[in-house]
Order: sequence, then structure tokens, then C-alpha cells
Amino acid sequence: EVQLVESGGGLVRPGGSLRLSCAASGFTFSTYHMNWVRQAPGKGLEWVSSISGSRAYIYYADSVKGRFTISRDNAKNSLYLQMNSLRAEDTAIYYCARADGSSPHYWGQGTLVTVSS
Amino acid sequence: QSVLTQPPSVSAAPGQKVTISCSGRSSNIGNNYVSWYQQLPGTAPKLLIYDNNKRPSAIPDRFSGSKSGTSATLGISGLQTGDEADYYCGTWDSSLSAVVFGGGTKVTVL
Repeated sequence: EVQLVESGGGLVRPGGSLRLSCAASGFTFSTYHMNWVRQAPGKGLEWVSSISGSRAYIYYADSVKGRFTISRDNAKNSLYLQMNSLRAEDTAIYYCARADGSSPHYWGQGTLVTVSS
Repeated sequence: QSVLTQPPSVSAAPGQKVTISCSGRSSNIGNNYVSWYQQLPGTAPKLLIYDNNKRPSAIPDRFSGSKSGTSATLGISGLQTGDEADYYCGTWDSSLSAVVFGGGTKVTVL
């Protein structure tokens, strides 16, 4: 059974940093593209970033480019999102999602990031 | 403003059918597979349809998907109160090099 468990969310001040983690199990992690997708309170889904299994392909939404960094450790079956220079508009639930083909298929339960002074 | 366009809401009585449209362009829906997601209140999104019209094994055949040109449609037949949720379409956009989603459609069972 595919399982994705996010962690690392919390309250952070504007301009601060946070690192999210996603622990994957139930599949061969290194062979799948992975995504981070976020959802602001009461809003729709917003894709944040994607990384290929080999790390050869990495993509970011314009809204986070230059501030967020996606990475993965295939030996640890883990996905990460380093978030710097956080803004109030980054407040959201952040979901880790496995891609099958080009779109997310399996989703974690999410971790809440709140950016506030 | 979402890249993909969905109606904000649709509604129907129990047992009826609803359809949700998702409109895009050639760089996204026109040349890539479409997925649909259901998000029940307070929960993570769940995959309903992938590759335009395929259902994961656990998804009942009341849910169906189709695509024509730069638009896709999700159908929900035999509507149940448990189907009240937000529904999102999503796909890859080759021009943006990004996953794109619709703004979401709230389904209400009258």
C-alpha cells in the first residue's frame, strides 16, 4: 500500500525558513516523480514543485521560484521541501504527492504551514 | 486565476447525474492526460479519474471521465449525499512546465 506521510509544518514568522519532509513507503520510491502541492485556507489546489526520480528534472511554480528548493533522498525514501523567505501568502496545507505519468495520483494527509508574526 | 477553468458549483438531487467541465488549451488538456480529484471536507484530495477516463480500482463506475480537444468532463451518476465534495481537474502544462489545476467545483446534493 502506497503511504506518504508529511511532517515539518508549523508556525513561522515572515521571512523565516522551514523544511518539510515526506516519508514514502509501499512502492519503489526512486522510480517515481514526486510533487509538492499546497492549499491555502478555503482555496483550491496549487502545485508547488516537482522532482523526477533521478533528480534530473526539477520544476517550480513561479510563486516559489528562488525561495523554495525541492530535493529527495532515494536511499531514505524521502522527499523534502526547503522553504526560505516565507511570506503570509505561503500559509497553506502542503501535500506530498506521487506522480503516475504527469499528474499526482497518491497524496499524503498534508502538513500545515502558517506564516504569521 | 486558475489555468484550467471549472464552474464554481453544480447541484442535483440524489440519484441524478451531474457533469463538471474543465476547460484548458492545447499546451495542457489538448496534449496531456487529465486527472480528476475528489476532496471531501477536511481531507486530502483523492484520485478519481486518471488518463482522461480510467478509474482506480476502488472508484465506483458511477464516476466517469472524458476528453475532447481542450476540454474534459467528469460525470457523477446516481448522485449520493456522500458525493458532496470539491472536485478538481488537473494535468501537465507543457508550455509552463508545471502541473496545473482547475479552481475546483463544489458539488451539492439537494
